[in-house]
Amino acid sequence: SQQGEEDPQALSIQEGENATMNCSYKTSINNLQWYRQNSGRGLVHLILIRSNEREKHSGRLRVTLDTSKKSSSLLITASRAADTASYFCATDRQAGTALIFGKGTTLSVSS
Amino acid sequence: DTAVSQTPKYLVTQMGNDKSIKCEQNLGHDTMYWYKQDSKKFLKIMFSYNNKELIINETVPNRFSPKSPDKAHLNLHINSLELGDSAVYFCASRTGRADTQYFGPGTRLTVL
Repeated sequence: SQQGEEDPQALSIQEGENATMNCSYKTSINNLQWYRQNSGRGLVHLILIRSNEREKHSGRLRVTLDTSKKSSSLLITASRAADTASYFCATDRQAGTALIFGKGTTLSVSS
Repeated sequence: DTAVSQTPKYLVTQMGNDKSIKCEQNLGHDTMYWYKQDSKKFLKIMFSYNNKELIINETVPNRFSPKSPDKAHLNLHINSLELGDSAVYFCASRTGRADTQYFGPGTRLTVL
């Protein structure tokens, strides 16, 4: 069964604003990753947070993980038009196993 | 110098036909995957190969048969195509026990 559920399904913001996407999952995880998919393209890895971590930063990205609530959030600060894409969270139960993806959040950033 | 490549990018075919999608990675990874993304963008694992050996085979119709001639290649053959097979198929790879997967650009399959 599907592991992750993203919220919201779609998000429209203006350039310069922050975008927050949430992800919930159902079972224990080894780690949680966020991927970006530009329209008509493959997925690109953005950031990974391990089950024993609570927060991680990478450039304009900030990820939090709450294993007690089985949820994660991805914050993109100072968004740009180039951030327009679909964002997926993905989990795996054990290191190196296949990823289980959520349904994704479609982010639209207008200039 | 594409890391994970897939051919073809687009595939339009009639119901009942047999088709293949090819995937190659030049990253030296030993594990490769096939994922299916449906019209609602939901991504689901289909198969996983490690060093040419099948290690994951999700509930996929046996009309789908993956083949890995070597570590760098994982092909997907589909027999007797059905309308419901229309989707985007992604190949991915990773190395060892690393967690990050590298995805190909996808193959959009349309069954008419």
